[in-house]
Amino acid sequence: NAGVTQTPKFQVLKTGQSMTLQCAQDMNHNSMYWYRQDPGMGLRLIYYSASEGTTDKGEVPNGYNVSRLNKREFSLRLESAAPSQTSVYFCASRPLNTGELFFGEGSRLTVL
Amino acid sequence: GNSVTQMEGPVTLSEEAFLTINCTYTATGYPSLFWYVQYPGEGLQLLLKATKADDKGSNKGFEATYRKETTSFHLEKGSVQVSDSAVYFCALSLNTGGFKTIFGAGTRLFVKA
Repeated sequence: NAGVTQTPKFQVLKTGQSMTLQCAQDMNHNSMYWYRQDPGMGLRLIYYSASEGTTDKGEVPNGYNVSRLNKREFSLRLESAAPSQTSVYFCASRPLNTGELFFGEGSRLTVL
Repeated sequence: GNSVTQMEGPVTLSEEAFLTINCTYTATGYPSLFWYVQYPGEGLQLLLKATKADDKGSNKGFEATYRKETTSFHLEKGSVQVSDSAVYFCALSLNTGGFKTIFGAGTRLFVKA
């Protein structure tokens, strides 16, 4: 009964370092999403993948890249981390023909 | 463009008080509307939803009615409990461009015993 699993849950980086956030879902959902959550700003979409093999930019894609590795996995990469990328990152997936999102527990990233 | 506006928090209530969290939206087309709840240290989870005008979503004593004429989806609960303390997000989803969901800024609710 795992749902959406994100790793790592916590990470501290120095400016300029790179890292990848991993996300996997076991619900056979076609669409997957990466959001960031910042105080007073709700959730903002970084990238999404409507189906396996496709990815598209969301509202705030700069500084990030994504890979839809297969139907289950959708990773988010920071090539050169900046303090402005300090945030809580959420991965979500969506079943076909419904707007409901299923979220992971989040990954808290601090960039010093 | 598409957007969601919800009342700023925090909202502090005593146990058994009545709760209203206002939410209005702007959308091109006919969105589905959602309330998500985030408990401390957790991800968001769906609380309730409505997919067309005049639909009422309900769950765990919470209710919200999709009002197209006022573009609103206000969240209500008749008697809150301490365990309802959380952050509540109003959101809309449009069946275009990958079913992207747009969230409001969130409203933090504190319920005192």
